[in-house]
Amino acid sequence: GDSVTQMEGPVTLSEEAFLTINCTYTATGYPSLFWYVQYPGEGLQLLLKATKADDKGSNKGFEATYRKETTSFHLEKGSVQVSDSAVYFCAPMFGGSNYKLTFGKGTLLTVNP
Amino acid sequence: DTGVSQDPRHKITKRGQNVTFRCDPISEHNRLYWYRQTLGQGPEFLTYFQNEAQLEKSRLLSDRFSAERPKGSFSTLEIQRTEQGDSAMYLCASTHGSGWETQYFGPGTRLLVL
Repeated sequence: GDSVTQMEGPVTLSEEAFLTINCTYTATGYPSLFWYVQYPGEGLQLLLKATKADDKGSNKGFEATYRKETTSFHLEKGSVQVSDSAVYFCAPMFGGSNYKLTFGKGTLLTVNP
Repeated sequence: DTGVSQDPRHKITKRGQNVTFRCDPISEHNRLYWYRQTLGQGPEFLTYFQNEAQLEKSRLLSDRFSAERPKGSFSTLEIQRTEQGDSAMYLCASTHGSGWETQYFGPGTRLLVL
């Protein structure tokens, strides 16, 4: 069945380090792909999305590319800041399923000054 | 603020009591979802409404859970005879259209069952 696997944390980085959080999925069709972020004490916010193969979503310096051949949607940022400390969720939206989101387990990122 | 709102934000109850949560979606969003998030996990789908019709319920939604969306506006999620395993964050999300649009989440209701 349709599923998602997300790199588990926690991940601890120093400010200005490079970040990668891996996300892969299995699907019978072609999902839309989302990254959501949950800052401490706040609700889930959309970070970025991509709806078809080779699309690149980007926001706040974060990027992720929809790779159909590897069924992946890895999140990257070239230089993290302390304010990026949060939990990040990969969430495919599989078609034919009332367009509900299927969330990964989440990756806790802590950025130290 | 025109985002998704949820009430209450926190609820502490004793095992066996009934609780009800409310979600007010973004105005004119015709689709509404409930998810549940336990500590250290990602949210899991509970149920889905398109307008006032409940179109899908997860296996996670036992018969103690019921959800409604009268008139296709706000939605309520009721848990009867609460159990300690019901302790979680209950999230509501809304969107518009008929397909792949972004879902916008409310702040959640955190339930603790003692």
